Amino acid sequence: GNSVTQMEGPVTLSEEAFLTINCTYTATGYPSLFWYVQYPGEGLQLLLKATKADDKGSNKGFEATYRKETTSFHLEKGSVQVSDSAVYFCALSDRSDYKLSFGAGTTVTVRA
Amino acid sequence: EPEVTQTPSHQVTQMGQEVILRCVPISNHLYFYWYRQILGQKVEFLVSFYNNEISEKSEIFDDQFSVERPDGSNFTLKIRSTKLEDSAMYFCASSELPMRMNTEAFFGQGTRLTVV
Repeated sequence: GNSVTQMEGPVTLSEEAFLTINCTYTATGYPSLFWYVQYPGEGLQLLLKATKADDKGSNKGFEATYRKETTSFHLEKGSVQVSDSAVYFCALSDRSDYKLSFGAGTTVTVRA
Repeated sequence: EPEVTQTPSHQVTQMGQEVILRCVPISNHLYFYWYRQILGQKVEFLVSFYNNEISEKSEIFDDQFSVERPDGSNFTLKIRSTKLEDSAMYFCASSELPMRMNTEAFFGQGTRLTVV
């Protein structure tokens, strides 16, 4: 079956630091990959996605590249802000699925 | 901007009681989902729903759970006899297309269910 493994948190950073959250996946087919973000008190929001190998998703300064050879989709941001404090979830779906499969989530706290 | 809305935001119930969690999906969406997240654990899929039928359900979604779209706008999750281990954040989601078509799912803010 499909599964997502995400780096455990919590992660605490200073403003302007570089952020990486590792995500690897196992899938039976050719999945689409997603990063969702949950800001405090809010629901899950799609941050970015990639639907095929070597695609790069990007949004709000975050990037992630779909690496089929390493089955990874690591999230990166070069200079984080306090407003990036949130829980980040890696997820996948594939053509056999009616659902998203999520990782455990990584809590990121950015300090001023 | 259209959004998925869930009510209530927090519900406390006694073990053995029935609860109904309510969701209003985005109006032109056809695919609906429930997920849950037990505190400190991963977001788990419960059920997907399309055309008034369950498309897929997980092992968690046993006979104690049911879903319904009673009136064309609401999408509900019923737990017939709650257990302590049902305490979790429950997320409703909807999408215009099925997930296997690489679509985006839109999530509500969640209902925190506490069973005491």
